[in-house]
Amino acid sequence: DTGVSQDPRHKITKRGQNVTFRCDPISEHNRLYWYRQTLGQGPEFLTYFQNEAQLEKSRLLSDRFSAERPKGSFSTLEIQRTEQGDSAMYLCASSQTENYGYTFGSGTRLTVV
Amino acid sequence: GNSVTQMEGPVTLSEEAFLTINCTYTATGYPSLFWYVQYPGEGLQLLLKATKADDKGSNKGFEATYRKETTSFHLEKGSVQVSDSAVYFCALRTSGTYKYIFGTGTRLKVLA
Repeated sequence: DTGVSQDPRHKITKRGQNVTFRCDPISEHNRLYWYRQTLGQGPEFLTYFQNEAQLEKSRLLSDRFSAERPKGSFSTLEIQRTEQGDSAMYLCASSQTENYGYTFGSGTRLTVV
Repeated sequence: GNSVTQMEGPVTLSEEAFLTINCTYTATGYPSLFWYVQYPGEGLQLLLKATKADDKGSNKGFEATYRKETTSFHLEKGSVQVSDSAVYFCALRTSGTYKYIFGTGTRLKVLA
């Protein structure tokens, strides 16, 4: 297992376009998390899945954001009608238990122009 | 609300110097505490953790002790190396939630 994979690594999009990111967690991890990190800040929680169920969702996740994990394996994060303020690094992480600590992917850097 | 405060960086040290990066937290109950490290061009990696008061987490020569009386979890290393240059994030997780709250990160630069 090579860890948590995220695709793409970089995405440049025009304002108003939709974008979708993919995350493949470590195969035996049933917990999956999305975070957003802007320059000079720590990661901010977006949403959490246990298997295919989305159990927690931050108020940061506006109606333009949606995340899925249809079969409890990979997950997608979609942003509709992107805005310049959406420019950030989007991080995916997975874990086996709550206290074990996360394994993070390398992230998808989104630039909205 | 719950929060984590870290000392601002960058912290610049010479090789073999002693390192302390301060982290204090505000949380209800008894959170679990973590240090993550982000090397240039890489994702965040768990460095160490502590889940209850007076626990000491340690890894790769780094240590941090969970101090409930001072609500602190300071990161220390006795002798830093150039390869320790990275951004260090302190984080907490309160019981009953799944999310971690991260500090803003502290950049460490170690000079040869």
